[in-house]
Amino acid sequence: ETGVTQTPRHLVMGMTNKKSLKCEQHLGHNAMYWYKQSAKKPLELMFVYNFKEQTENNSVPSRFSPECPNSSHLFLHLHTLQPEDSALYLCASSQAFLGQGSYEQYFGPGTRLTVT
Amino acid sequence: GEDVEQSLFLSVREGDSSVINCTYTDSSSTYLYWYKQEPGAGLQLLTYIFSNMDMKQDQRLTVLLNKKDKHLSLRIADTQTGDSAIYFCALVRGKLIFGQGTELSVKP
Repeated sequence: ETGVTQTPRHLVMGMTNKKSLKCEQHLGHNAMYWYKQSAKKPLELMFVYNFKEQTENNSVPSRFSPECPNSSHLFLHLHTLQPEDSALYLCASSQAFLGQGSYEQYFGPGTRLTVT
Repeated sequence: GEDVEQSLFLSVREGDSSVINCTYTDSSSTYLYWYKQEPGAGLQLLTYIFSNMDMKQDQRLTVLLNKKDKHLSLRIADTQTGDSAIYFCALVRGKLIFGQGTELSVKP
């Protein structure tokens, strides 16, 4: 397996459910990111982890909880979501966090989340 | 307005050139990027340009940067149906800031 993988690719959950999204990168990168992509809106950066430490939380509601157990894995734990949280959730990784040279990020295919 | 703006749709005929435009407000970014998103996939970095350059060419892709007008463009020569995708420009302001994306439709 190469690049950035995400599971599941599709998820339908009720507002009272708890689920987790998983991201794994096989590129030896040190930084990982969660983005939210909604239709016709710019990508929204949610969280950044650099060397397993959270360095950015873009005012994301607490119903989204990230976890980064090591530099290769990133999770997004979801609970009591709202219908407006339905979106494509993209994971990305880069060699280093922004601010250190080129910002080339490698993206996973995303998890299409639908909250009913 | 938004930090990075793009028109939402562009339709071209196969074999024509496509020009995707992007305007931005903050000129402090050292790099400016073009990403491509195919259906059902994540974003893929296409190319980038340093802010001290005016133009960069990479095979069928030409990036033009007009710093005075804060305008970035991506030209795709000999556009193919496989180029149909959403194209995002992005710049850096502490983090990557993306435009809304331009959906390119290539008709045979």
